[in-house]
Amino acid sequence: GESVGLHLPTLSVQEGDNSIINCAYSNSASDYFIWYKQESGKGPQFIIDIRSNMDKRQGQRVTVLLNKTVKHLSLQIAATQPGDSAVYFCAENGLDTIQGAQKLVFGQGTRLTINP
Amino acid sequence: KAGVTQTPRYLIKTRGQQVTLSCSPISGHRSVSWYQQTPGQGLQFLFEYFSETQRNKGNFPGRFSGRQFSNSRSEMNVSTLELGDSALYLCASSFSRTARVTYEQYFGPGTRLTVT
Repeated sequence: GESVGLHLPTLSVQEGDNSIINCAYSNSASDYFIWYKQESGKGPQFIIDIRSNMDKRQGQRVTVLLNKTVKHLSLQIAATQPGDSAVYFCAENGLDTIQGAQKLVFGQGTRLTINP
Repeated sequence: KAGVTQTPRYLIKTRGQQVTLSCSPISGHRSVSWYQQTPGQGLQFLFEYFSETQRNKGNFPGRFSGRQFSNSRSEMNVSTLELGDSALYLCASSFSRTARVTYEQYFGPGTRLTVT
């Protein structure tokens, strides 16, 4: 069945360092991927997305890489700041061929902790 | 532009009761999706509504239902509450115009439901 998972449940980095959060997905039909950040007591916040016809996309301090060959997604955060502390989720959206509509399938999340 | 709003933010119910949660999407967004978030299961897709029609449904029992109004506002209902229904219920809205093109989803703060 569909599954989206993360290699590490927790990640600790030094303030100012770069962070890399990884995600593996299993549905080769997925054509759209999103990274979300969730802070305590809040809903997931959209960070960046990428479509399957791309392998890299950059935002402000963030880069998403997509490797369709090995079905792997990563989020890179440059110069990590204390405000980056949160749980990060990857999500894939594959076309549901049965119902003809789409839905996001989320990974379990990685908790990013920033050390001063 | 106002974000996704959800009411109420917190709710305590007893087993056997029913509950209705409300979601107002971002202005101009016609797709509304509902997710259940628990520590054990993570973020699970419940259903999606687009133009007042349920376009997709997750693997939840029939006690979970929803609807969407002509102004795109959505409600979800859970009947005969069970202890395991305690969770954060998140609503997400999307600009999505067609079922074949995916747009990013923006989440509300969620409704924390506690069933005792």
